[in-house]
Amino acid sequence: QLQLQESGPGLVKPSETLSLTCTVSGASISTSSYFWVWIRQPPGKGLEWIGNIYYSGSTYYNPSLKSRVTISVDTSKNQFSLKLSSVTAADTAVYYCARRREGSSGLEYWGQGTLVTVSS
Amino acid sequence: QSALTQPASVSGSPGQSITISCTGTSSDVGVYNYVSWYQQHPGKAPKLMIYDVSNRPSGVSNRFSGSKSGNTASLTISGLQAEDEADYYCISYTISSTWVFGGGTKLTVL
Repeated sequence: QLQLQESGPGLVKPSETLSLTCTVSGASISTSSYFWVWIRQPPGKGLEWIGNIYYSGSTYYNPSLKSRVTISVDTSKNQFSLKLSSVTAADTAVYYCARRREGSSGLEYWGQGTLVTVSS
Repeated sequence: QSALTQPASVSGSPGQSITISCTGTSSDVGVYNYVSWYQQHPGKAPKLMIYDVSNRPSGVSNRFSGSKSGNTASLTISGLQAEDEADYYCISYTISSTWVFGGGTKLTVL
């Protein structure tokens, strides 16, 4: 059974870079035909798609975050990562990682989510 | 890209049917059959309920169904049950190769 687990600092200072990792177990992250996705949800608000990375390394980002976001894959650790630079309080959210199969719209597997607070 | 439009809230009594709409544009919902729906209970991760407009993952009750007409996708829940009370989100692929969520709908079972 595929499992995803987010990890990283729960508190980040304004203007710094938020860094999170999603560890994948139960399947290889380099298996073809899957997208690895980051999504966030500010407290009390809706879901926002941040971006995704294809198993080959191709990335796609939310246009509103594109200038600050980097998603990468570390196949040796079976992980993928999110970096969001120049954070502000508006970036405070629960961050989720998920997986989508190519050719389908369904985000079949999700991590439990991790809360990141931006505050000095 | 603008968020897809969902009603903020819907409600229904046990046993009834409700429909949640998800309205986009000819740049997203109207172009592709890549719309999926998620159920989220408080403090939990979202759960996939419908993918590719109308397909149900294994294990999801057949009381959940999806459809699309033009720029609007819909999620219908029949035989409403107390455990269906949750937030529901749609998401669609866009012509920019990105994805956009709806604002979410809070379902209350009366």
